Amino acid sequence: SQQGEEDPQALSIQEGENATMNCSYKTSINNLQWYRQNSGRGLVHLILIRSNEREKHSGRLRVTLDTSKKSSSLLITASRAADTASYFCATDKNSGAGSYQLTFGKGTKLSVIP
Amino acid sequence: DTEVTQTPKHLVMGMTNKKSLKCEQHMGHRAMYWYKQKAKKPPELMFVYSYEKLSINESVPSRFSPECPNSSLLNLHLHALQPEDSALYLCASSQGSLPNTDTQYFGPGTRLTVL
Repeated sequence: SQQGEEDPQALSIQEGENATMNCSYKTSINNLQWYRQNSGRGLVHLILIRSNEREKHSGRLRVTLDTSKKSSSLLITASRAADTASYFCATDKNSGAGSYQLTFGKGTKLSVIP
Repeated sequence: DTEVTQTPKHLVMGMTNKKSLKCEQHMGHRAMYWYKQKAKKPPELMFVYSYEKLSINESVPSRFSPECPNSSLLNLHLHALQPEDSALYLCASSQGSLPNTDTQYFGPGTRLTVL
């Protein structure tokens, strides 16, 4: 079963607005990562937040983590049409010898209307 | 070079065919991964290779056979697939040496259709 559950499943906003996506997970985590996927393409890593961090920024991205509620949120400010994509949260687990297996949430499909 | 390449981009095969997917990275990463992604679903982990050794097999059917010939290459051999195996197959790599976690770099995927 998937570790993360995103909501909303789909989000449609106007260019310039902010987009907020939420992710909940079930078990304790090492770190939580957010990835972006353009339609039918590979995933691109956006940001990683460690379990002992509460907030992290990267450009127009802001991620929060609440381990007591087992939830995270991704905020994209001043959205652009190019931000249209699916966004996935992923928790990671050490799979040995330096490798980490990711378990992805169901994803939020974001559409930014010009 | 921060790119993971995958070939072919698209593959159509019959249920009796044998084919292979190829993945390559030249970032010096020591961990490589295969994921399967069905339409409108998140990626699901299939295999993990670390230092060229298989470390995780997520109960994948034997008709999928991974191979890691060297630290830069990862193959996925396909034989006697079923139509339900049609999906986007994603390869990823990570440094494999960081102590606490690792960012994974994904290739563009191979879109597989099984007839």
